Amino acid sequence: DTGVSQDPRHKITKRGQNVTFRCDPISEHNRLYWYRQTLGQGPEFLTYFQNEAQLEKSRLLSDRFSAERPKGSFSTLEIQRTEQGDSAMYLCAGPGGPNTGELFFGEGSRLTVL
Amino acid sequence: AQKITQTQPGMFVQEKEAVTLDCTYDTSDQSYGLFWYKQPSSGEMIFLIYQGSYDEQNATEGRYSLNFQKARKSANLVISASQLGDSAMYFCAMREGGYQKVTFGTGTKLQVIP
Repeated sequence: DTGVSQDPRHKITKRGQNVTFRCDPISEHNRLYWYRQTLGQGPEFLTYFQNEAQLEKSRLLSDRFSAERPKGSFSTLEIQRTEQGDSAMYLCAGPGGPNTGELFFGEGSRLTVL
Repeated sequence: AQKITQTQPGMFVQEKEAVTLDCTYDTSDQSYGLFWYKQPSSGEMIFLIYQGSYDEQNATEGRYSLNFQKARKSANLVISASQLGDSAMYFCAMREGGYQKVTFGTGTKLQVIP
């Protein structure tokens, strides 16, 4: 158990609809990361938060994507006007050891856009 | 250029045998970290092992060891005494310098044969 919870685990939606994913990390995790993993690929970095501040965003995060972390606790990732190409696993992660920097991932939220 | 290259899309190994999964990386930073993750068919990303660029000894964690060859920029994962439960996707990853982003390779699918 990595202590990172994601909800929902699965989401099926129609093209054009909005979806929101939630990530709840361990309370003492000041850093939080979002990744996207498409079939047959490794996870790709989307964005990262230090407490409530979004400090880095990937070019993959188009203007249809928005992530927030109010109060530096849980985080949400919203996708507006979904497209079939958004179908993927969305992974949230918290930091591991302070000297090693590994990430501990949640179980992911799988999005299918019909 | 790819930051992380895994050239073996798939590998087979006999149960109880050792197997090496290849990973090469590309960075100009002197300080970086290398990681291996396991992703079973259930989808969760499981952290296995970490190697820091300044670590002189190869990292080991139980049956996992990381064969770190800095001059060759390779960080191969060695799994000893393979078990059926080792069948999974394996991802090599790197964190460079002071950056927060971890970059993943495309993965190697390992299948352990009884």
